[in-house]
Amino acid sequence: QVQLQESGPGLVKPSQTLSLTCSVSGDSISGGPYYWSWIRQPAGKGLEWIGRIHTTGTTAYNPSLASRVVISLDTSKNEFSLTLTSVTAADTAIYYCAGRNWFLDDWGRGTLVSVSS
Amino acid sequence: DLQMTQSPSSLSASVGDGVTITCRASQTLSSYLNWYQQKPGKPPKLLIYGASSLQEGVPSRFSGFGSGAVYTLTISSLLPEDFATYYCQQSFSTPWTFGQGTRVDI
Repeated sequence: QVQLQESGPGLVKPSQTLSLTCSVSGDSISGGPYYWSWIRQPAGKGLEWIGRIHTTGTTAYNPSLASRVVISLDTSKNEFSLTLTSVTAADTAIYYCAGRNWFLDDWGRGTLVSVSS
Repeated sequence: DLQMTQSPSSLSASVGDGVTITCRASQTLSSYLNWYQQKPGKPPKLLIYGASSLQEGVPSRFSGFGSGAVYTLTISSLLPEDFATYYCQQSFSTPWTFGQGTRVDI
């Protein structure tokens, strides 16, 4: 049973950087080929795919966020991370990590990140 | 970006009813179409992948069908635990995109 768990600050100030980590257990993050994704959901709204990283390190991002997003892998810790710069209130959402295939078969519980001064 | 349009946006049904949700893409997806169920306060759960393959552990009352740019999710006989929001999602090209969701209410 693969489990994913998001961690990171729940509150970020406007213009600062949001950093989240997804810890993976039950499988090796590089045991793939796998895709590891970040998705977000503002309160009461739908799902927005932020981007993904492949086991090889290749990334793909949503063009709407690409100038502010970096997703990276840390195989030694079996985790992957999201960095989103220059945040605004519009970035307030529940952030989910998910994987492993081209269909998102495993999800974390999600973590609420609020952007406020 | 590839646009995904779900219909209806919401529907009301009763236990035992059969329901069908449609997802239309702005171009062909070659069956790279997945369906998820989300309940309040929970992450989405994969139901169907590759248009029609049932994810392990998902009840057989859920089924997916379609090809090209049009796909459907059918629940053959609603149970109380099926009242939720359903999303389609395409993995044909990046950025991966989701439909806006269909809320299934009692």
